[in-house]
Amino acid sequence: DGGITQSPKYLFRKEGQNVTLSCEQNLNHDAMYWYRQDPGQGLRLIYYSQIVNDFQKGDIAEGYSVSREKKESFPLTVTSAQKNPTAFYLCASWEGAGELFFGEGSRLTVL
Amino acid sequence: SQQGEEDPQALSIQEGENATMNCSYKTSINNLQWYRQNSGRGLVHLILIRSNEREKHSGRLRVTLDTSKKSSSLLITASRAADTASYFCATDRGAGSYQLTFGKGTKLSVIP
Repeated sequence: DGGITQSPKYLFRKEGQNVTLSCEQNLNHDAMYWYRQDPGQGLRLIYYSQIVNDFQKGDIAEGYSVSREKKESFPLTVTSAQKNPTAFYLCASWEGAGELFFGEGSRLTVL
Repeated sequence: SQQGEEDPQALSIQEGENATMNCSYKTSINNLQWYRQNSGRGLVHLILIRSNEREKHSGRLRVTLDTSKKSSSLLITASRAADTASYFCATDRGAGSYQLTFGKGTKLSVIP
């Protein structure tokens, strides 16, 4: 089935550690996105990528990094510089028109 | 920055009643979309309305768009308990934009 796969679904991190969230899509979409969701805050854009080897900062990129080496993959690294990383992270892809397709999310908790 | 803002933030209705949610936005758009999110899950696309459209229907969903007021509404008719979810509007940032901006959502509870 075509879609977006995020892993892991749940992740725990100690303070000071970097963690990487995986996002893979088999929809052949050029654009991919990472959103952060906090209770009552809706979705906020972290990074997005329109094509391979190119990505742009969103509204809350500080403390995060991404790469786009393959069309299918857009991993997000939450670095130790992110002071409040506990949140629900959503990956999405888009063919440039119409709807976004979302993964099921990854919940990161800092211990 | 939030482009779309939904209201109310929360809505509780009885099964069978209609639910109306509103979305306001600030800048010109190419289209506006509505999404649904069940608790702890990803978002699912419901309906897209283009800037040159005023109303669109899909099953029990009716969406309106008023570009002069920069607002949209989502009506769910004959609600069911399974409609319980959060609903978000999303707007692009104009023609050619690859960014979608989401509001904070309306949390709908349908009581059986």
